[in-house]
Amino acid sequence: GAVVSQHPSRVICKSGTSVKIECRSLDFQATTMFWYRQFPKKSLMLMATSNEGSKATYEQGVEKDKFLINHASLTLSTLTVTSAHPEDSSFYICSAEDRGYEQYFGPGTRLTVT
Amino acid sequence: AQSVTQLDSQVPVFEEAPVELRCNYSSSVSVYLFWYVQYPNQGLQLLLKYLSGSTLVKGINGFEAEFNKSQTSFHLRKPSVHISDTAEYFCAVSFSQGGSEKLVFGKGTKLTVNP
Repeated sequence: GAVVSQHPSRVICKSGTSVKIECRSLDFQATTMFWYRQFPKKSLMLMATSNEGSKATYEQGVEKDKFLINHASLTLSTLTVTSAHPEDSSFYICSAEDRGYEQYFGPGTRLTVT
Repeated sequence: AQSVTQLDSQVPVFEEAPVELRCNYSSSVSVYLFWYVQYPNQGLQLLLKYLSGSTLVKGINGFEAEFNKSQTSFHLRKPSVHISDTAEYFCAVSFSQGGSEKLVFGKGTKLTVNP
């Protein structure tokens, strides 16, 4: 089946620094990838839709200058949390969409900002 | 706009008992429906999906769900649960926007299977 990986699985950073999270589709090409944020005991909130070779589309309320998304190839999308603050601590999950429009989810990245 | 309601935030059951996790959705257009399972500190795994055709959908791990258009429901069931089914379960609806299928998730139901 389709496999999506995320790296790193866990990251701890200091307030004010930037963190990059990678999302890779390992055995299929994904024109579209999605980035979600999940708060404790909460559902997944779609942050943005990442399209290969074009700018990401952000959901309402998500700061595009703070959450930089790059989708440089059909198998890789990156999310960079810039100038991170403790309130950015969360579980970030990506998904990759195959040609049948089904989304396959990565294992998630736990970000802790101290 | 699309929305998903999972009425039960927590469902405790005993091992080998049947379980039903409820999901209702709201949409003005035809949608696809999904159930995902999430184990602690992991991503989401697809249990089953309804795209079209038979309203009774069978998925992995012995789960099944029934699409009821008149009641706008897509409840998840399993006749006999195991300890290993303890996890968070999310119902989701997808809709087309900008050439891709976006997912809207319910708030999740925490299923706890006790011995």
